[in-house]
Amino acid sequence: DTEVTQTPKHLVMGMTNKKSLKCEQHMGHRAMYWYKQKAKKPPELMFVYSYEKLSINESVPSRFSPECPNSSLLNLHLHALQPEDSALYLCASVSRTKNTEAFFGQGTRLTVV
Amino acid sequence: AQSVAQPEDQVNVAEGNPLTVKCTYSVSGNPYLFWYVQYPNRGLQFLLKYITGDNLVKGSYGFEAEFNKSQTSFHLKKPSALVSDSALYFCAVRGISGGYNKLIFGAGTRLAVHP
Repeated sequence: DTEVTQTPKHLVMGMTNKKSLKCEQHMGHRAMYWYKQKAKKPPELMFVYSYEKLSINESVPSRFSPECPNSSLLNLHLHALQPEDSALYLCASVSRTKNTEAFFGQGTRLTVV
Repeated sequence: AQSVAQPEDQVNVAEGNPLTVKCTYSVSGNPYLFWYVQYPNRGLQFLLKYITGDNLVKGSYGFEAEFNKSQTSFHLKKPSALVSDSALYFCAVRGISGGYNKLIFGAGTRLAVHP
């Protein structure tokens, strides 16, 4: 299984809503990432988890709250978002012990209204 | 600081012709280089990587890339383009931030293959 699964695929939320994005992988990777991607732009790193601990927070606003409950699961909790937060949110995982590529999920298309 | 440059916003190629998508990099130490492709509203799909070894790397869907250390380049190539190759292509280098690996992406190049 070389897949990273993200749910939901699409999400529309109001600025006062609370929602969560989910990412799951079963490749035994111990590093997992959240990226934000605007249209026609490269992905921007948001968070890195290594061995279920937050390793990197790229100065992301607190309305985005990551969580890594176990080695296979990564969540991104959303609260009080702004319309400019509308983007494709990508999850990725990579083996920390091998020089392998990162595996990306299909992304969640988020629209904040 | 590590960085990747993709000098072309868009590359236009006729179907059946060879294609090249350019990438140059700047890293300290040995580079770990990657190419990814992205179709509309989809995640990134891995195409190929250079870690060490042969400078010509073969990857998925008939793509290959040539690592050139003296020119710090890692150009993506395909001998005969298909219309279905039309997509957004990202070159990336693995960099170190705060002691942890992170992918540093180029700005992306849109490949348009015309029938």
